Amino acid sequence: DIQMTQFPSTLSASVGDRVTITCRASQNIFSWLAWYQQKPGKAPKLLMYKASTLESGVPSRFSGSGSGTEFTLTISGLQPDDFATYFCQQYNTFLRTFGQGTKVEVK
Amino acid sequence: EVQLVESGGGLVQPGRSLRLSCTGLGFTFGDYAINWFRRAPGEGLEWVSLIRREVFDATTEYAASVKGRFTISRDDSNAVAYLQLHSLKTDDTGVYHCAAGRIVGGVYEDYWGQGTLVTVSS
Repeated sequence: DIQMTQFPSTLSASVGDRVTITCRASQNIFSWLAWYQQKPGKAPKLLMYKASTLESGVPSRFSGSGSGTEFTLTISGLQPDDFATYFCQQYNTFLRTFGQGTKVEVK
Repeated sequence: EVQLVESGGGLVQPGRSLRLSCTGLGFTFGDYAINWFRRAPGEGLEWVSLIRREVFDATTEYAASVKGRFTISRDDSNAVAYLQLHSLKTDDTGVYHCAAGRIVGGVYEDYWGQGTLVTVSS
């Protein structure tokens, strides 16, 4: 199975901050990486796919980069609605695997 | 609006069975593969099972941890997918999410439900 290592596990930030989350794959997954946002008790929401393609309706302050084994999600100008947990998922194979998640909390 | 709603979770004793349902609303259910995922308490997300579209013969895949105990199925006429859980273990405790996904013209679609809690305990 492809292992996904995501860090940091927790990130304390303020409104307006630029935050970056990193995800590393144990093997080459090309650009088959997605990022999700999840709030407590809610369904995960797709933010980004193919590493850097913004899902329709997602604000442009979210951006993604990377290919191969290292990927980042950046939120430029954190908004109050962005405090949530974010996780990466590789879909290079049908056996999808996930990063452990990053909780973005209020500093 | 696309919606997926899971149901059927609950408290069950080890060794017993449970059937989870995943109902799709607001989209053509049959056009999507259906995955089940779960999150154990304090753990990350784990992929559990996949059923492909009928055009791909609705073939199925299972995680090693559930193979032989869980069965995935779908009924596109009623826009519902099922995950039958047998021989449940305490390690199967967690929130189970279904997700409908497809890639069309390079566009990746992946819609998730908010999950149903399964607690396996004596």
